[in-house]
Amino acid sequence: GAVVSQHPSRVICKSGTSVKIECRSLDFQATTMFWYRQFPKKSLMLMATSNEGSKATYEQGVEKDKFLINHASLTLSTLTVTSAHPEDSSFYICSPNYWGLAGSYEQYFGPGTRLTVT
Amino acid sequence: QKEVEQNSGPLSVPEGAIASLNCTYSDRGSQSFFWYRQYSGKSPELIMFIYSNGDKEDGRFTAQLNKASQYVSLLIRDSQPSDSATYLCAVNRDDKIIFGKGTRLHILP
Repeated sequence: GAVVSQHPSRVICKSGTSVKIECRSLDFQATTMFWYRQFPKKSLMLMATSNEGSKATYEQGVEKDKFLINHASLTLSTLTVTSAHPEDSSFYICSPNYWGLAGSYEQYFGPGTRLTVT
Repeated sequence: QKEVEQNSGPLSVPEGAIASLNCTYSDRGSQSFFWYRQYSGKSPELIMFIYSNGDKEDGRFTAQLNKASQYVSLLIRDSQPSDSATYLCAVNRDDKIIFGKGTRLHILP
């Protein structure tokens, strides 16, 4: 399978500040990155999809100016939560697209970033 | 109708028994099917994927796909307490993965 890393794993920030989350595909190149958010005991929610070198596509209800996504290379994507508020406290997970050796499409997740906004 | 439907559970299964998790999907154009396991506070982990009708076995896990019935299931043999988690069913439609809400599985020691 594919190896995906995220940094930081956990971050606490004050309300009004910005936080950047990095997601790296360590042993493959990803043309597409999916960013998810998960609130406690709730389902995964897709926030946005980004393709390398182009602008991200945001799901309905997700503010593109608040959640800035950069996918500048095939191995790195970043999500910046700008002017964070306590309601942004959540578990953020990235998931790059991955094509297996047999041409199968698979999706693996990063370990996630737990954001707490105080 | 939701694209991917799962019973939210919890599903309680005695240790050593077979746990059976079910999922239905609405889009006949779905190309591949996935089962993820998610422990509390952790990100989902891919445990099985299946493309063709029939069964696919990997260790204690068996995925079953029936495209005519739009049904995919996961069997876990010899259930262990460490199998207690939320299991997410997902389908691939045009390289976009659609997730179900997950079934909570509780293995009773």
